[in-house]
Amino acid sequence: AQSVAQPEDQVNVAEGNPLTVKCTYSVSGNPYLFWYVQYPNRGLQFLLKYITGDNLVKGSYGFEAEFNKSQTSFHLKKPSALVSDSALYFCAVRRPTPPLVFGKGTRLSVIA
Amino acid sequence: DAGVIQSPRHEVTEMGQEVTLRCKPISGHDYLFWYRQTMMRGLELLIYFNNNVPIDDSGMPEDRFSAKMPNASFSTLKIQPSEPRDSAVYFCASRTRGTGANVLTFGAGSRLTVL
Repeated sequence: AQSVAQPEDQVNVAEGNPLTVKCTYSVSGNPYLFWYVQYPNRGLQFLLKYITGDNLVKGSYGFEAEFNKSQTSFHLKKPSALVSDSALYFCAVRRPTPPLVFGKGTRLSVIA
Repeated sequence: DAGVIQSPRHEVTEMGQEVTLRCKPISGHDYLFWYRQTMMRGLELLIYFNNNVPIDDSGMPEDRFSAKMPNASFSTLKIQPSEPRDSAVYFCASRTRGTGANVLTFGAGSRLTVL
């Protein structure tokens, strides 16, 4: 069965600094990997995905993520954090068939 | 497109009462998912449908939970009888098989409080 681990419950970063939110996965076969973001009292919103191709994928709001097959990781990054990036971030994985399995989430706090 | 629409947004009820949550997926989407979010357990998949047919309900906690999708534009999640441990935010999400096949669109959620 597929699974996702987000080892940090909370990440704090100063505004303007680079940010990284970590994710590792476990799935047999080729993974489909995703990042979603959740703002308070809202549903999850899609940020970016890796299906195949270039290991570095770019998504919404300046976020990017790098697929590393040898380390089974898919860390989310942004070169310069904004206060408005503060939210709950979820990594998710699935095989070509449903369903999507989510990690427990990492709360990002960007401090001005 | 109005997105995935869920109702009610908030529900407060007493233990033992029946609760019905509703979802209208995006038109043309043929997969529908119900997730539950709690602080302790994160996001859990409860059940999902393809073309209105339940495919996997292994995440449904127990017989008190049931879900239906009578047509392509409507689904319900019912809890009967409700218990305090059912308190959570319940999300509905849908997706298509086309070019957007890999992206779930979530509703805003239904926050359930069982007293």
